[in-house]
Amino acid sequence: DAGITQSPRHKVTETGTPVTLRCHQTENHRYMYWYRQDPGHGLRLIHYSYGVKDTDKGEVSDGYSVSRSKTEDFLLTLESATSSQTSVYFCAISESMGSSGNTIYFGEGSWLTVV
Amino acid sequence: AQSVAQPEDQVNVAEGNPLTVKCTYSVSGNPYLFWYVQYPNRGLQFLLKYITGDNLVKGSYGFEAEFNKSQTSFHLKKPSALVSDSALYFCAVRDARSDYKLSFGAGTTVTVRA
Repeated sequence: DAGITQSPRHKVTETGTPVTLRCHQTENHRYMYWYRQDPGHGLRLIHYSYGVKDTDKGEVSDGYSVSRSKTEDFLLTLESATSSQTSVYFCAISESMGSSGNTIYFGEGSWLTVV
Repeated sequence: AQSVAQPEDQVNVAEGNPLTVKCTYSVSGNPYLFWYVQYPNRGLQFLLKYITGDNLVKGSYGFEAEFNKSQTSFHLKKPSALVSDSALYFCAVRDARSDYKLSFGAGTTVTVRA
């Protein structure tokens, strides 16, 4: 299994509160991603990072921000959580993104409930 | 634009019978295709991928998939299903020219009955 640790694994929070999810990798991979999984939608990319301090938006980035201060850590922040952000969040990593078809490996997920 | 369709929400098979999970895709350029499996309350596990070369790709746990360019399909197959194969399966595609975007299908739940 890829060395990816997500924390917390489960969290219940109230609407309007900030939430930060952490992803830690031990593979020294350059690329890190945050996805959310919702029934009927598969997985959708929120943000990704291609290096320390280098991040970009995915297809569902509204209401989310990310930071990457070290190669091994990628943080996802919900500035003011809403019920629509109740979901399962997956961190993923890959060595490269280019034309090599590099495989993306996923963490175990963080279940977030916003009440 | 790129997209993936998994036309079946659920597939039910008896143990020992062949298992097929269907996937069709749409990309502008050449596709990179992936299959992942997800067990309850777990992350996605990589099964196999097609990048180039032989259209028949073999992966983990006895699974294989066949790339068919003319039908834009990448169906996942297993000759003899096991109860332990019961899980959620995702097909994903990336345009070879894309730098990051991996598009997932909605998933197919496979139930293998004893």
